[in-house]
Amino acid sequence: DTAVSQTPKYLVTQMGNDKSIKCEQNLGHDTMYWYKQDSKKFLKIMFSYNNKELIINETVPNRFSPKSPDKAHLNLHINSLELGDSAVYFCASSSRLAGKETQYFGPGTRLLVL
Amino acid sequence: ELKVEQNPLFLSMQEGKNYTIYCNYSTTSDRLYWYRQDPGKSLESLFVLLSNGAVKQEGRLMASLDTKARLSTLHITAAVHDLSATYFCAVRGGGGADGLTFGKGTHLIIQP
Repeated sequence: DTAVSQTPKYLVTQMGNDKSIKCEQNLGHDTMYWYKQDSKKFLKIMFSYNNKELIINETVPNRFSPKSPDKAHLNLHINSLELGDSAVYFCASSSRLAGKETQYFGPGTRLLVL
Repeated sequence: ELKVEQNPLFLSMQEGKNYTIYCNYSTTSDRLYWYRQDPGKSLESLFVLLSNGAVKQEGRLMASLDTKARLSTLHITAAVHDLSATYFCAVRGGGGADGLTFGKGTHLIIQP
């Protein structure tokens, strides 16, 4: 009964390619996120998405775009991949209900751009 | 800009000892989170602190929050090897809406 799942777990690709990472949560949460963890383990919020409202961290290149087909999914599309995109990408979800503030993280997708 | 600073960033300690990790943040926020990350793994939620003076404990870990000082602490009591991990604090806000702004993490090694 996985709470937040991501596919693929590993992704190796060439510069310039376009790729997608899928995320699904079965917790009934109303908000989902994408975070990037770089090689120094630093975590940065990329996007948060709630009820069709997308909040974008202004530092994220527009090559990155989240797409949410429904409340349980938030996929991440990356165009024209660059070497610097190599990182671990984590999906997370949470609820805005009081008492349920915890953000739950997926297992991560390890992206390597060659 | 919201900034979150943790210290120390690296800590090596012996089993049985006590220690505290500190987390300072630069602007007002209503939520403070502590996470644990093992190598190659995801983030595991430890605590969510919501109000000034909040204290939560789970096993050998205890977290507290002082919103006036913008300071949270994670105290480790009688450390055991299994607590070796990287610990992150995070504050809601800074990158947009409910997104979290993280500290750089404290890499904790507990030696027998």
